[in-house]
Amino acid sequence: KNEVEQSPQNLTAQEGEFITINCSYSVGISALHWLQQHPGGGIVSLFMLSSGKKKHGRLIATINIQEKHSSLHITASHPRDSAVYICAVSQGGSEKLVFGKGTKLTVNP
Amino acid sequence: ETGVTQTPRHLVMGMTNKKSLKCEQHLGHNAMYWYKQSAKKPLELMFVYSLEERVENNSVPSRFSPECPNSSHLFLHLHTLQPEDSALYLCASSRSIQETQYFGPGTRLLVL
Repeated sequence: KNEVEQSPQNLTAQEGEFITINCSYSVGISALHWLQQHPGGGIVSLFMLSSGKKKHGRLIATINIQEKHSSLHITASHPRDSAVYICAVSQGGSEKLVFGKGTKLTVNP
Repeated sequence: ETGVTQTPRHLVMGMTNKKSLKCEQHLGHNAMYWYKQSAKKPLELMFVYSLEERVENNSVPSRFSPECPNSSHLFLHLHTLQPEDSALYLCASSRSIQETQYFGPGTRLLVL
């Protein structure tokens, strides 16, 4: 069992819909990361958070440390949001990131 | 454009070839990373360099050999690879260990 689990694995939505992607982890962490990978491979770091909530444009990331759970929300989704969204955690004292398998999001016009 | 570049973007090589992947960052970062992404598997950390010294080697086969000549450049030397080594190889950098990592576009490698 992977230390970082994401759900769903695949998600298809219509333009304008509110999207939620979930991440659960089983280890103690110092920070949780949300990454976006577009077709072709390039990865962009969206958020790094260790508590509470962060917002950037239409993207919102939340984390509940007690429940070992994080969510990534996309409001007013758009076809250009289509990508793989990856959750990763870093553990205190380690430079290693442990990655989830990713959630493939497709937003149709 | 993240400030991290990788060359080549695509590479096809035979099992007896020797090739090198190059990563360059223009962000003034002190830590650099090599990752492997195989189909349907999570990203796997291969190597970590901090201030040009290797700090993590995640049990990677010796046919992969990293080199970090300075804080802006990172190489991955490849020799006698196997077909199962075909994957996307991603480079990343961060200001220091445990800070946000910025990824390059990756090199898609096919080993025949």
